[in-house]
Amino acid sequence: EAGVTQSPTHLIKTRGQQVTLRCSPISGHTSVYWYQQALGLGLQFLLWYDEGEERNRGNFPPRFSGRQFPNYSSELNVNALELEDSALYLCASSLGPGAPYEQYFGPGTRLTVT
Amino acid sequence: GESVGLHLPTLSVQEGDNSIINCAYSNSASDYFIWYKQESGKGPQFIIDIRSNMDKRQGQRVTVLLNKTVKHLSLQIAATQPGDSAVYFCAEMFSGGYNKLIFGAGTRLAVHP
Repeated sequence: EAGVTQSPTHLIKTRGQQVTLRCSPISGHTSVYWYQQALGLGLQFLLWYDEGEERNRGNFPPRFSGRQFPNYSSELNVNALELEDSALYLCASSLGPGAPYEQYFGPGTRLTVT
Repeated sequence: GESVGLHLPTLSVQEGDNSIINCAYSNSASDYFIWYKQESGKGPQFIIDIRSNMDKRQGQRVTVLLNKTVKHLSLQIAATQPGDSAVYFCAEMFSGGYNKLIFGAGTRLAVHP
C-alpha cells in the first residue's frame, strides 16, 4: 500500500513569491493535515482538511491556506513568502475525524526562501 | 503557548542497552498520545500510541508509559539497535480539539556500537 506522497521534494523561492505544495493521502484516508517543521522549532500544526472542508487551523497568518480535492488530495498555498517560511512542510493523513487518530506522514517538501 | 516538552534533547546509548525517552505534556485534557520517530530526510514515522484510559502499552521492543498525575510520557526501547538512531517526538491530542497534534521539540537518540 502506498504511503502519503508529497511534491515537490525540494523548492527554492524568493521572498514575496507564492508557492503551492501538494499531498496525496493514503488510499481510504479522508483527513489530511499540514505541519511546518522549521529548524529548531519542532512540528507546528498548520491545517486540517476532511471531506473537502477546513476543520481546524493552527496559529499561522492567512497567507497560509489550502484546499482538499474530491479525491482527498490537498494543496498548501503560501503567499508573500518570507524568509522565516523556510522549513520542511509535512503532510499527514488519517482515516477521518472520528476514526483512530494515527496520522501517517509523508516525506515532506523542503522549502527554502531566499 | 501550547507545547509538549522533553527533558533530554540528546540521548546517547550503547547498542543493546535499553533506552528511555521522556516527555512532559502540557494539557491535562489531552486524551491521546503518540510517539513518532524521524530519521534524517524522512517524515515522522508512527511508533506507538496510548489513550488516557491506559497507563502502559507495549509494542514490538517499545513500551509507552503514561502518568497522568504528573503529565508525563515515556518511550522505552528495549535492546536498542543502530537503526533506532533518530529523533523521537512525543505528541498529544485532545480528541475534542479537532484532531490537532501538539508536538514536542524532539529528542535525538544516538546509538553507539
